Amino acid sequence: QVRLVQSGAEVKKPGASVKVSCKTSGYSFTTYDINWVRQATGQGLEWMGWMNPNSGNAAYAQKFQGRVHMTRNTSISTAYLELTSLRSEDTAVYYCVRPYSHYYYYMDVWGKGTTVTVSS
Amino acid sequence: ETVLTQSPGTLSVSPGETATFSCRASENVNKDYLAWYQQKSGQAPRILIYGTSTRATDIPDRFSGSGSGTDFTLTISRLEPEDSAVYYCQQCGSSPFTFGPGTKLEIK
Repeated sequence: QVRLVQSGAEVKKPGASVKVSCKTSGYSFTTYDINWVRQATGQGLEWMGWMNPNSGNAAYAQKFQGRVHMTRNTSISTAYLELTSLRSEDTAVYYCVRPYSHYYYYMDVWGKGTTVTVSS
Repeated sequence: ETVLTQSPGTLSVSPGETATFSCRASENVNKDYLAWYQQKSGQAPRILIYGTSTRATDIPDRFSGSGSGTDFTLTISRLEPEDSAVYYCQQCGSSPFTFGPGTKLEIK
């Protein structure tokens, strides 16, 4: 059974950084990308970027360039999202997602989400 | 970037009836990379339809998708109270993999 277990809620001050983890199990970690999607309260879904756990290569949405880093630790099958220079608008639920990526590509298996609150 | 527009913003339909959701793209989307998701309150989204028209595992045949180019449609027939949710389209054909703003479905 494929599972993505995310780290717990975080409260951060403006200007700080946050690092969210996503521990995977039930499949070969390096075989599938990991995407990150966020959702502010009452708002829609926003795609942030994706990472190839095998190579470590990542691609980010333009909006987050320079502030986001997606990394991984293959020895523990865990992906990480780090967001720096936090502002109040970054308050959201952050989801890690394992896509289906054989011919088709879509967001297949979702973590339960990590709530990040940015407040002074 | 490919901008997705969904309409209507909110849909209110009675049980047993049919709901139709529209997703329009600012440029052509490869139909293999157009997907629909359902998100119920307090839950993570779940995949409903991928490749424009293929139902995901365990999705009932009341859900169907169609379209091509810039116009895509999700249809839910024989609506049930449990279908109350927000429905999003997403394209993964070109980065960034954009989502539409969503359509909220209310069951009367």
